[in-house]
Parts: sequence; structure tokens; C-alpha cells
Amino acid sequence: GESVGLHLPTLSVQEGDNSIINCAYSNSASDYFIWYKQESGKGPQFIIDIRSNMDKRQGQRVTVLLNKTVKHLSLQIAATQPGDSAVYFCADLTGFQKLVFGTGTRLLVSP
Amino acid sequence: EAQVTQNPRYLITVTGKKLTVTCSQNMNHEYMSWYRQDPGLGLRQIYYSMNVEVTDKGDVPEGYKVSRKEKRNFPLILESPSPNQTSLYFCASSLSWGGAPGGPYEQYFGPGTRLTVT
Repeated sequence: GESVGLHLPTLSVQEGDNSIINCAYSNSASDYFIWYKQESGKGPQFIIDIRSNMDKRQGQRVTVLLNKTVKHLSLQIAATQPGDSAVYFCADLTGFQKLVFGTGTRLLVSP
Repeated sequence: EAQVTQNPRYLITVTGKKLTVTCSQNMNHEYMSWYRQDPGLGLRQIYYSMNVEVTDKGDVPEGYKVSRKEKRNFPLILESPSPNQTSLYFCASSLSWGGAPGGPYEQYFGPGTRLTVT
């Protein structure tokens, strides 16, 4: 079936480095993608979204890139901070009815 | 403060004892949803609701019931819990859904309910 997945389960970076978290999706008809951050003991928190008619979208310290040709999106975090340590999920809003989540990537930021 | 609240946050119960997990949002959102989160499986949708009295099954609805009698509340009911329903449960809401063009579609999540069924 259709799925949204992640390449790496854990990413370790040094404070101040840029982080890149990748996500592959299989539904070529996907319209909309969201990145969520989940800190320990909390619910997922919305970070940034992107529609399928866009290639790039920027937020505060975060950028999402969408490559529809290879069905891949990435989340870039600039100047990663210890507070960025969390699990990051990409999600595909399939047919705008429900979110399909990947299994997540854990980002570990070392001081 | 705009938020999604869930109660209880933690619950340990026994097989077969009916329970309800409440969910409430104060953002006047039309769309609400329940997810369960299990290690290695990520978040999976149980049920969702596009408005009052409108609910539909998600990916893993077996063993669960929901109701949407009021816009702000979306309780999750386990009529006869079993150990395989031990999980972390999240309620979420969003302003828009599917057929509403333009969005926004991002869902806001509650803090989670950790359920253990023995």
C-alpha cells in the first residue's frame, strides 16, 4: 500500500551544525506534506508544511524541500540547537482526508 | 490558550473493563482524529471526524468506538480492552479537512494518553 517512510532512524549532529532529515513517499498523487517534531513525553508539534505545487518552503531556521520526481522531501534545520533534539516525522495528507505518518527520525544534538 | 486536552494522561486497566479517553479542543476545529503510536509503527489513525455526528474509520479501528456529539469533544471508547491495545494514544484536531480548499490542514495534537491493558 501507499506509505511514507524515513531513510534514517537516528541522526546525530553537533550543536551549530545544519541537520538534514529525509523522507520518502510512495503516493505520487500526494497533495500536501507536513513535518512534525515530537519531544519526549509530548504530542507531535507542527513545524512546517508544503504543498505539492511547491519545491521549497522556508520557516524560521527550517526549510523543507520537495522533489516530486523522486518522491522525496527533506527537512533542513539550520544551526541546530540542543532544543531541537526530538523525533521528527513527515506526514502525507492522503487525499486531504487523513495523515499518513512515517516511523520517524530521532535527532540527537550534542553540545 | 489554544489547545487539545486529553484525559486521563495515564491509565492502567484490566482486560474487558470498558474505558473512555476524553478529548477536547478549544479552537472551534471541525476535524478531529485519534491516533495510536507504537514503537516501530509510528502513528496510525484509528478514527476521524469531519464534523458533529460525522465519523469514519481510519487504518486501525477494530476494538474502538468514537462519538462526536459536540464540536469540541471527541471521546475514544474501548468497550472491551485487550492487551494489544496497550499503546500511546493521541487526539488531534484541525481547522480544515479534505474537501475544504485552501486549508489550513495542519493538525494540533494533544499531550497523549498512555494506556496499559493487563
